[in-house]
Amino acid sequence: NAGVMQNPRHLVRRRGQEARLRCSPMKGHSHVYWYRQLPEEGLKFMVYLQKENIIDESGMPKERFSAEFPKEGPSILRIQQVVRGDSAAYFCASSPGASGSSTDTQYFGPGTRLTVL
Amino acid sequence: AQTVTQSQPEMSVQEAETVTLSCTYDTSESDYYLFWYKQPPSRQMILVIRQEAYKQQNATENRFSVNFQKAAKSFSLKISDSQLGDAAMYFCAYRGKPGAGSYQLTFGKGTKLSVIP
Repeated sequence: NAGVMQNPRHLVRRRGQEARLRCSPMKGHSHVYWYRQLPEEGLKFMVYLQKENIIDESGMPKERFSAEFPKEGPSILRIQQVVRGDSAAYFCASSPGASGSSTDTQYFGPGTRLTVL
Repeated sequence: AQTVTQSQPEMSVQEAETVTLSCTYDTSESDYYLFWYKQPPSRQMILVIRQEAYKQQNATENRFSVNFQKAAKSFSLKISDSQLGDAAMYFCAYRGKPGAGSYQLTFGKGTKLSVIP
């Protein structure tokens, strides 16, 4: 039973390039969450998606960041025109049930470590 | 806004001994979930234990147990018979009332646990 898959595990970009981070939820999970972890910090919520819908993006920076979870395929976190401050570990989590239900414990992927040169 | 505080940046424990990690949180809600996640050097976030606020009984998972004090807003993690594999960062996390549009986990800054052979 595969867990949450994220790729790539490590991504290096130069300032101004685009970064695309992918997340495949656990089998049977249709709810995806993205978090960012800066060095020496806990994880900070960015966005919550269900298939084809963004439910809560209150933690997303207003510019350059976007997320999607299409009907088919993985969820994508996209960062345009990256800057050094975007360097962080980005974690994806998935849950089986509707958020707010007893079955919505979030299970995390291994993360993508983004380094911006 | 909810906050989660872990006042011990680092802790150490002798192998086979018991250690307790502290966590306090601030909320005005009466119903919520609390979690402990473990992040070993691999950076994978692993769910250790979960507690529903409406349950008075403290959650237990093998060698891991919690002391949930709702009135004091305290949620400590006890690790018994510590093993070398327990060495990791431990994060306490809060999620608000199910069904009230509370999707995100709010994390503390973590406690780094070292296990001494």
